[in-house]
Amino acid sequence: EVQLVESGGGVLRPGGSLRLSCAASGFTFADYGMSWVRQAPGKGLEWVSYIDWSGGSTIYADSVKGRFTISRDNAKNSLYLQMNSLRAEDTAFYYCAKVRWLAQPFDYWGQGTLVTVSS
Amino acid sequence: QSALTQPASVSGSPGQSITISCTGTSSDVGGYNYVSWYQQHPGKAPKLMIYDVSNRPSGVSNRFSGSKSDNTASLTISGLQAEDEADYYCSSYTSSSTYVFGTGTKVTVL
Repeated sequence: EVQLVESGGGVLRPGGSLRLSCAASGFTFADYGMSWVRQAPGKGLEWVSYIDWSGGSTIYADSVKGRFTISRDNAKNSLYLQMNSLRAEDTAFYYCAKVRWLAQPFDYWGQGTLVTVSS
Repeated sequence: QSALTQPASVSGSPGQSITISCTGTSSDVGGYNYVSWYQQHPGKAPKLMIYDVSNRPSGVSNRFSGSKSDNTASLTISGLQAEDEADYYCSSYTSSSTYVFGTGTKVTVL
């Protein structure tokens, strides 16, 4: 059974940094691309970033480009999102999602971790 | 990249069929057959319901179907059931090599 478990969320002030993690199991992690998708409380979904199976190709939404960095450790079956220069508008549930390769759908999602940026 | 446009809400009685539209541009929905649909119940993670415009993942009811015409994709739920009450989001791959989601539609079963 595919399982994706996010962790690392919390409350922090604008300008702060946070690193989210996503532990994957139930599939060959190194064979798949992964993405982060976020959802502000009570709002819609927003795609954040994608990383290919090797970690050699990464893509970001304009809203986070230059501030967020996606990475992965295939030996640890883990996905990460380093978030710097956080803003109030980054407040959201952050979901990691499995995707075979770029352009393919998000076929499994974690339960999400909440990041709150507030002064 | 602007969000794809969906109706805010759609409702129907049990057993009826409803259709949710998802309108984009030639740079996303109209340019690729990489449209997917997600169902999200309150407090839960999204679930993939349709991919590549009209394909259903294993385990998804055949009451869910998808189609596309020009820049507009559609999700149809036939034989509406109480358990179908949820938020639905479309998503498309884009010419910028990114993804864009729809604004979301709340489906209410009357």
